[in-house]
Amino acid sequence: KQEVTQIPAALSVPEGENLVLNCSFTDSAIYNLQWFRQDPGKGLTSLLLIQSSQREQTSGRLNASLDKSSGRSTLYIAASQPGDSATYLCAVPPNYGGSQGNLIFGKGTKLSVKP
Amino acid sequence: DGGITQSPKYLFRKEGQNVTLSCEQNLNHDAMYWYRQDPGQGLRLIYYSQIVNDFQKGDIAEGYSVSREKKESFPLTVTSAQKNPTAFYLCASSHRGRRLSDEKLFFGSGTQLSVL
Repeated sequence: KQEVTQIPAALSVPEGENLVLNCSFTDSAIYNLQWFRQDPGKGLTSLLLIQSSQREQTSGRLNASLDKSSGRSTLYIAASQPGDSATYLCAVPPNYGGSQGNLIFGKGTKLSVKP
Repeated sequence: DGGITQSPKYLFRKEGQNVTLSCEQNLNHDAMYWYRQDPGQGLRLIYYSQIVNDFQKGDIAEGYSVSREKKESFPLTVTSAQKNPTAFYLCASSHRGRRLSDEKLFFGSGTQLSVL
């Protein structure tokens, strides 16, 4: 059964620092991997979706990489800002087929960027 | 303004009471999902529906029920059989692209359910 792990559970950095969030998964036969952001008491916002054939995706200051063979993905945030403070979750679809929307989520990394 | 609307934002349930959480989407998405989120935990799938008048159980369906009478709506009922209902409930939808790998999930803003 696919399992998704995110380390660390929490991270605090000073403003302006570049940082990396980690996501690992046990079964490398994935269709894609998504990174989400969640603000306290809010829903999830999709940040990046990397298809299984891709190595990375970029959006502004965010860069997500995918290494299927090692079961890892990283989310790189450049020049962090206090507004980046949120919980970041990664998720993969189950690999038994069917709807790819019933995702398997990690528990998230809570990021705090201090001014 | 397209999106997913969940209501109410906060809901309180009395002992033995059934409550219904609303989820409406105007994105013309075929598939809709209900997830439960507990503090410090990842999201867990309750029910999902890929098409009108059809739905499947997720990992934690016991004590919950759903209906999908319209493409736009996927209400979730938390029944009295659910003994630990306090959680943050998230509704999501997706549009099946040409490839399964293209399917992206969009979320509503959530409903916090608490027991009185």
